[in-house]
Amino acid sequence: EVQLVESGGGLVQPGESLRLSCAASGFPFSRFSMDWVRQAPGEGLEWVSYISSESSTTYYADSVKGRFTISRDNAKNSLYLQMNSLRDEDTAVYFCARETYGLGGSFDIWGQGTVVTVSS
Amino acid sequence: QSALTQPASVSGSPGQSITISCTGTSSDVGSYNLVSWYQQHPGKAPKLMIYEVDKRPSGVSDRFSGSKSGNTASLTISGLQAEDEADYYCCSYASSRRVFGGGTKLTVL
Repeated sequence: EVQLVESGGGLVQPGESLRLSCAASGFPFSRFSMDWVRQAPGEGLEWVSYISSESSTTYYADSVKGRFTISRDNAKNSLYLQMNSLRDEDTAVYFCARETYGLGGSFDIWGQGTVVTVSS
Repeated sequence: QSALTQPASVSGSPGQSITISCTGTSSDVGSYNLVSWYQQHPGKAPKLMIYEVDKRPSGVSDRFSGSKSGNTASLTISGLQAEDEADYYCCSYASSRRVFGGGTKLTVL
């Protein structure tokens, strides 16, 4: 079964750090670009970050640039999001998502999400 | 990085058709045939319904269709069913970023 499972969410104070993980299974992880997408409580989806299949290219939304770092370990079939200097507005459910093979730009497999709460 | 513009809500009766619009710019929707649509039920992960403007993933009903004209993409759902009630999001590839619409709540009356 093709699956993505996120972990690492939790409650942190503003300014603190958190590292999210996403474990992939059921497909050749190393061949796919991956993304993180988040959804604040009661709000819409917001794209956060992208990483190419071999980690050669990464992109970030302006809202997280300089604070978040996306990475992957193809040997472990895992995707990561290192989040530093967290702010209240980073509170959200964080989803990892697989980009469609080929042209990309769409997300065909999603994890169930992990909740990040930033609050003092 | 502005979001794509979608109507906040649409509604229709069972059996009817509805269309949700998604307006971007010449830097995103207008430049790439890489618009996708997602269905999200409360508390669930989004589900891909349409990709590359008008392609349906395996397993998605042919009642769902997509199109694009200029800077505006559209999702049409025909033969509305109760289970179609959900939030719908469009998304466009834009080179070094991806951008989502604000979402549309579909109510089946």
